[in-house]
Amino acid sequence: RKEVEQDPGPFNVPEGATVAFNCTYSNSASQSFFWYRQDCRKEPKLLMSVYSSGNEDGRFTAQLNRASQYISLLIRDSKLSDSATYLCVVTRNRDDKIIFGKGTRLHILP
Amino acid sequence: DGGITQSPKYLFRKEGQNVTLSCEQNLNHDAMYWYRQDPGQGLRLIYYSQIVNDFQKGDIAEGYSVSREKKESFPLTVTSAQKNPTAFYLCASSIVGARGRTNTEAFFGQGTRLTVV
Repeated sequence: RKEVEQDPGPFNVPEGATVAFNCTYSNSASQSFFWYRQDCRKEPKLLMSVYSSGNEDGRFTAQLNRASQYISLLIRDSKLSDSATYLCVVTRNRDDKIIFGKGTRLHILP
Repeated sequence: DGGITQSPKYLFRKEGQNVTLSCEQNLNHDAMYWYRQDPGQGLRLIYYSQIVNDFQKGDIAEGYSVSREKKESFPLTVTSAQKNPTAFYLCASSIVGARGRTNTEAFFGQGTRLTVV
């Protein structure tokens, strides 16, 4: 089983809709969790950290479920500019190694 | 401005040649990483280093070598032993999290696109 797994998509979503995707991780001792965004042919950039209590940043909400070992990202009122690949990232506790999921591709349709 | 810089942005290599990709950071981060990304694929870890003069193999280290002589620098050499080196290479750095510390996010350079000709 891969350490971090994501549905690769693509998710094709009309502008203004709400979209959510999950990411599962296999190591229960994982320490830190993040969502990154990667645009085509660019480097990944941090979208938001994911806290145990959940956190919100504008239209974006991230949740962590340690019992079920998944994190989620919810995007409300989606914009055309949200089209990108969203990478789930987990930091492994025992050695601080940063593990990336393969990403979920999101296409917002006009 | 603090940041992480990769060079060159584009690199062409003849078959059988070794090439070295540069990665420099002035964020005072202890940890540095090299990832490879193929078209439409996720990031795969090549090597990582958490302290000067020490580094560990990632998932796809064969055909690559690194050094960490200075905290700021983590160059990656793609050797002739790497049979399919054409890819997008990304360098990242982060704070080394103390046990129990959270939010050790990674910062990325802009990447180097390597093409074998």
